[in-house]
Amino acid sequence: DVKVTQSSRYLVKRTGEKVFLECVQDMDHENMFWYRQDPGLGLRLIYFSYDVKMKEKGDIPEGYSVSREKKERFSLILESASTNQTSMYLCASTGDGRGNQPQHFGDGTRLSIL
Amino acid sequence: AQRVTQPEKLLSVFKGAPVELKCNYSYSGSPELFWYVQYSRQRLQLLLRHISRESIKGFTADLNKGETSFHLKKPFAQEEDSAMYYCALRVSSGGYQKVTFGTGTKLQVIP
Repeated sequence: DVKVTQSSRYLVKRTGEKVFLECVQDMDHENMFWYRQDPGLGLRLIYFSYDVKMKEKGDIPEGYSVSREKKERFSLILESASTNQTSMYLCASTGDGRGNQPQHFGDGTRLSIL
Repeated sequence: AQRVTQPEKLLSVFKGAPVELKCNYSYSGSPELFWYVQYSRQRLQLLLRHISRESIKGFTADLNKGETSFHLKKPFAQEEDSAMYYCALRVSSGGYQKVTFGTGTKLQVIP
């Protein structure tokens, strides 16, 4: 069974801090994704990666960056946290797209910026 | 650009009534569509995918390319169906994948 693990369930940080959200998957998946989930807005794609060191902007990349140094790990970075980045952050992974594989999600990190 | 629209934020139905959760998409190529479900305090998980033409927990969804829709249906709602439902569209090119979600519909089944 695929396991996607996000390092923290809850995180509280202050405005202006640099914040790291970590995600690890154990199924050798090529593709990894970061979303934020907000009531009424659904899941919005922040960044995604289809290979090590490769990254693509999603629909709302402003204020975020990512790092994919190893295949199993995909990090989301808030360079200078702001209150409007308070949200639930979801990480997902999937294989190379053959066979119509679905995404597998982590439990999410609820991030509060004070 | 790809886009997924779920017009209803909340859908309330009585137990035993039919359910239809609407999903429309815009994409110029061949779409890959999915429905995901999130039960209270659980992680988001796949419900079904269009290519499999499967029925999961009594739910089905048919891709209608003419109407660019992928509505989720169930003939008789159960209380345990209460959850958030998300429609998703995947675009693939080689190994590159981008998955876009709709805003979600909360299904509330009234006993």
